[in-house]
Amino acid sequence: EAQVTQNPRYLITVTGKKLTVTCSQNMNHEYMSWYRQDPGLGLRQIYYSMNVEVTDKGDVPEGYKVSRKEKRNFPLILESPSPNQTSLYFCASSSTPGKNIQYFGAGTRLSVL
Amino acid sequence: ILNVEQSPQSLHVQEGDSTNFTCSFPSSNFYALHWYRWETAKSPEALFVMTLNGDEKKKGRISATLNTKEGYSYLYIKGSQPEDSATYLCAHAGGTSGTYKYIFGTGTRLKVLA
Repeated sequence: EAQVTQNPRYLITVTGKKLTVTCSQNMNHEYMSWYRQDPGLGLRQIYYSMNVEVTDKGDVPEGYKVSRKEKRNFPLILESPSPNQTSLYFCASSSTPGKNIQYFGAGTRLSVL
Repeated sequence: ILNVEQSPQSLHVQEGDSTNFTCSFPSSNFYALHWYRWETAKSPEALFVMTLNGDEKKKGRISATLNTKEGYSYLYIKGSQPEDSATYLCAHAGGTSGTYKYIFGTGTRLKVLA
């Protein structure tokens, strides 16, 4: 079954404690992306990756890091989380960017205290 | 940052009514326009990807049109059913050479009353 898997689904942490949200897809997709969803603001793109070792900033990259060492995995790293990073996060993938649909993971709800 | 606007923000219709929503986007650096359906407590699911001016796509009772010259797309739902209740998102896919970013609108929340 085609899947984008995110872990964890829920996370409560404290300011400054480094965390990683994992994302894995089993469709051999080249394009992967991270979004955050906040009330009234819609989905905003944090980072995206065109392929292994190729990443680029979206519209809200501050405070986040990503890596793409393998095609299937695209982890999101918060080196020093702050309360303004409390949000619902989605990972998505598509075979190529733009002209193919994106498949979304189930989401990770993060609270930073 | 490009702006993608959706209207209306929310909509209540009776079962059986037909309805439509609008997505407006800048026509510069355009590559594709995506429509997604997002139910509460689930993740967004793709409905359509539209790339060419004048494109029309259809999936069951839902259809969409695209005008890239004036920068808008319409989503139509014919004979709305309670299971159509969801938030409908559009996203502009584009960017300058070598970049592929997505800009989402804030969505239209549809509630279909039985």
